[in-house]
Amino acid sequence: SQTIHQWPATLVQPVGSPLSLECTVEGTSNPNLYWYRQAAGRGLQLLFYSVGIGQISSEVPQNLSASRPQDRQFILSSKKLLLSDSGFYLCAGQGISGANVLTFGAGSRLTVL
Amino acid sequence: GQQVMQIPQYQHVQEGEDFTTYCNSSTTLSNIQWYKQRPGGHPVFLIQLVKSGEVKKQKRLTFQFGEAKKNSSLHITATQTTDVGTYFCVTTDSWGKLQFGAGTQVVVTP
Repeated sequence: SQTIHQWPATLVQPVGSPLSLECTVEGTSNPNLYWYRQAAGRGLQLLFYSVGIGQISSEVPQNLSASRPQDRQFILSSKKLLLSDSGFYLCAGQGISGANVLTFGAGSRLTVL
Repeated sequence: GQQVMQIPQYQHVQEGEDFTTYCNSSTTLSNIQWYKQRPGGHPVFLIQLVKSGEVKKQKRLTFQFGEAKKNSSLHITATQTTDVGTYFCVTTDSWGKLQFGAGTQVVVTP
């Protein structure tokens, strides 16, 4: 089956600490991959987009970064978290379950205290 | 990203009633997708519309793409409690990236 795995599912981090969220794809090769962030009760904000290994497009200036070290691995990182980084982070793959369609992972809920 | 307006932001519906949510763009769209996100869950793909004036149905859900390909609607008939969630329209920007509208949060009253 073609799926997106995300971890950790939840985490609570202090302000100023580093962050690493991981996303892996099963069942397909060379998908376009996305990181979105969703604040409580809000829509999805596109953070990063990748069309291949090492190819990352950043959508908004922020203290987050993304990397794609392998075709099926997409990592979201921060060196120092801010309170405003709290939210629900969703990884998605495009074209996995249908042309142009997004398949989402279960999400990572981050609380920064 | 592409500017897409989704209305209403919130929709309270009595069980059994119908409602419609709209997605409007100032520019012509190549296609439009709709997703549903249940409370606490992740968005799940519902449908993609590509052709001008296209209408697609999924049981009690009817999706329309405007003739000018600048707007779309999702109409749900005989709302059930299982329809609770947030419905998003998603468009493809000029770089091929998928951008989400703000969503319509639907609450169903039994």
